[in-house]
Amino acid sequence: QQQVKQSPQSLIVQKGGISIINCAYENTAFDYFPWYQQFPGKGPALLIAIRPDVSEKKEGRFTISFNKSAKQFSLHIMDSQPGDSATYFCAAWFYTDKLIFGTGTRLQVFP
Amino acid sequence: DGGITQSPKYLFRKEGQNVTLSCEQNLNHDAMYWYRQDPGQGLRLIYYSQIVNDFQKGDIAEGYSVSREKKESFPLTVTSAQKNPTAFYLCASTTYVRGGTEAFFGQGTRLTVV
Repeated sequence: QQQVKQSPQSLIVQKGGISIINCAYENTAFDYFPWYQQFPGKGPALLIAIRPDVSEKKEGRFTISFNKSAKQFSLHIMDSQPGDSATYFCAAWFYTDKLIFGTGTRLQVFP
Repeated sequence: DGGITQSPKYLFRKEGQNVTLSCEQNLNHDAMYWYRQDPGQGLRLIYYSQIVNDFQKGDIAEGYSVSREKKESFPLTVTSAQKNPTAFYLCASTTYVRGGTEAFFGQGTRLTVV
C-alpha cells in the first residue's frame, strides 16, 4: 500500500506554541521521509527529512520524530510564528523512485 | 539562477482541447516528475522520468501524456480524455543528497477548463 496518512487536516496554534503534525505509513519499502512547506500559489519547498534508521532530527525550530516500529512520524514546530502559516505535507520515497505525499495540513498561527 | 521553470503560470482550456504544460530545469538533474494538486487531496503523481527517453506512469496517468527528449525538459500534455483537468500542476526534479533524495519543485501551472 503506497499511502501516507496525515493528520490533522487543519491546525490553529497561538504564536509561541508548538505545532504537531502526524503521519503514518504501512509499506516498509519507504526509505526516506521528507516534510514540505507550501505557501499559497507556490510550489512545495523541502523543510526537513529523515531516514528510517534515525529516531529524531532537529533543524532550528523544526524537529522530526520517527517511530519505525509503529510506522509513524511527526513534525514538531517549536515557538510557532505567524510566518509559519502554510500547508505542510509529509511524504515518503518508495525505493528512491516515487515520492508519495500525505494529504496536507493547513497551519494557521495567530499572534 | 538554477531552478525549475514552469510555464505558463495560468492556463485556460476549452473542453475538448489538448494543452501542453512546460517544465524546464537547469539543475542537471536526471529525474523529473509531474504532480497534480487538488484542494484537500495533496499531491498525486501523474508521470515520472528517471532518464531521457524513458518515463513511467504514476497513480493518475489516465488522460495525460509526457515526453522526455532532453534531460532539461519534461512537458506534460493534458488531453481531452482527462475528464476533470482543472487543477494546480507541479513539476519537480530530484537529486540525491546526504543520505536521501531531494525534490525541487517549480512554481506550478494553474489550469482551468472554461
